[in-house]
Amino acid sequence: QVQLVQSGAEVKKPGASVKVSCKASGYTFTSYFMHWVRQAPGQGLEWMGLINPNSGSTNYAQKFQGRITMTRDTSTSTVYMELSSLRSEDTAAYFCARDQRGFGAHLDYWGLGTLVTVSS
Amino acid sequence: QSALTQPASVSGSPGQSITISCTGTSSDVGGYNYVSWYQQHTGKTPKLMIYDVSNRPSGVSNRFSGSKSGDTASLTISGLQAEDEADYYCSSYSSSSTLEVFGTGTKVTVL
Repeated sequence: QVQLVQSGAEVKKPGASVKVSCKASGYTFTSYFMHWVRQAPGQGLEWMGLINPNSGSTNYAQKFQGRITMTRDTSTSTVYMELSSLRSEDTAAYFCARDQRGFGAHLDYWGLGTLVTVSS
Repeated sequence: QSALTQPASVSGSPGQSITISCTGTSSDVGGYNYVSWYQQHTGKTPKLMIYDVSNRPSGVSNRFSGSKSGDTASLTISGLQAEDEADYYCSSYSSSSTLEVFGTGTKVTVL
């Protein structure tokens, strides 16, 4: 069965960076794009970007350009999302979700989310 | 890139039908047939309910249907049930610098 297992909750200080992992299993890792979506407490969903695990190419939302990096490790079927220069507004649950097409996303499997808390 | 516009809340009685709208622009909803809908129960992960405007993934009830007219997409839930009470989000491909955009979200209440 398809599983996306994310790393555990993080607490960071403003200005720091956080790196969240998402380990995929149950399907061919390189055949599906991986998206990252975040949700602040009590708020809606926000698309952050995607990575093509096959090529490593990425596409980031304009809002996060310059402080987001997505990478992958095909040997462990894991994708990573690193967000730098954290501020309190980055406090949110961060989800990875897969999609076969890479555009016009239909995210059929999601990780359970990683809660990142930014606080001094 | 602004979020797609959804009503904050929609409610209905069991057995009724409700429709949630999702309004964008010609650069997203109106320009492409790449609208998806997600259901999210409180504290849970989003679940894909509709993709490519009107297609249902395997396992999703046929009480859920999607459509689009111009810059507005819609999700209709027929035969409303208590288990349908959740938040619903639309999303669309966008030709702007941000590839995907979500809607503002709609809370569905079953009276």
